[in-house]
Amino acid sequence: AQSVTQPDIHITVSEGASLELRCNYSYGATPYLFWYVQSPGQGLQLLLKYFSGDTLVQGIKGFEAEFKRSQSSFNLRKPSVHWSDAAEYFCAYGAGGTSYGKLTFGQGTILTVHP
Amino acid sequence: GAVVSQHPSWVICKSGTSVKIECRSLDFQATTMFWYRQFPKQSLMLMATSNEGSKATYEQGVEKDKFLINHASLTLSTLTVTSAHPEDSSFYICSARETIIHNEQFFGPGTRLTVL
Repeated sequence: AQSVTQPDIHITVSEGASLELRCNYSYGATPYLFWYVQSPGQGLQLLLKYFSGDTLVQGIKGFEAEFKRSQSSFNLRKPSVHWSDAAEYFCAYGAGGTSYGKLTFGQGTILTVHP
Repeated sequence: GAVVSQHPSWVICKSGTSVKIECRSLDFQATTMFWYRQFPKQSLMLMATSNEGSKATYEQGVEKDKFLINHASLTLSTLTVTSAHPEDSSFYICSARETIIHNEQFFGPGTRLTVL
């Protein structure tokens, strides 16, 4: 079965610093990959997604992610973090075919931003 | 983006009672909705796929008689936790697929269930 791994449970950065959240997946076929952000009291919000094509994907709020098939990774990056980015981030793998829409989530990474 | 609501946002119940959680797509129709469960400090686990007008499809290990899902309309899916026990305490999240404009899933804010 496919799995999604986020190696970092908790990351702390200073405001204005760059950010990279790691995500690795295990699946043979071309995956559908997503990054979501979860803030308290709010539903998960989609930051960006990769289906095919350009491996560098731009998302909302200044985030981007790069799909690297050779490393089975889909890391999320932001060049300069804002205090409002503090939240929990989830990487997810999406199934295709008859299972289209089903998502397998990573364990999540909690981001703390210091002023 | 599209909006998905859940009701209630939190509920406390006694062991042995049943609890119903509603998931509504407010400004779009959703033939498919998904129910997830999230334990504290853990990831979301897909429980079942809810299809409008047909039976839900449950993931392996999820008791369909325990977690009853009904998707009676294109904007409403309900999850009923029957004969709830303390181990059913969790955060339940639904999502709905919007396929016309965004072609993506939109998530509800979740429902915190505590069973005493």
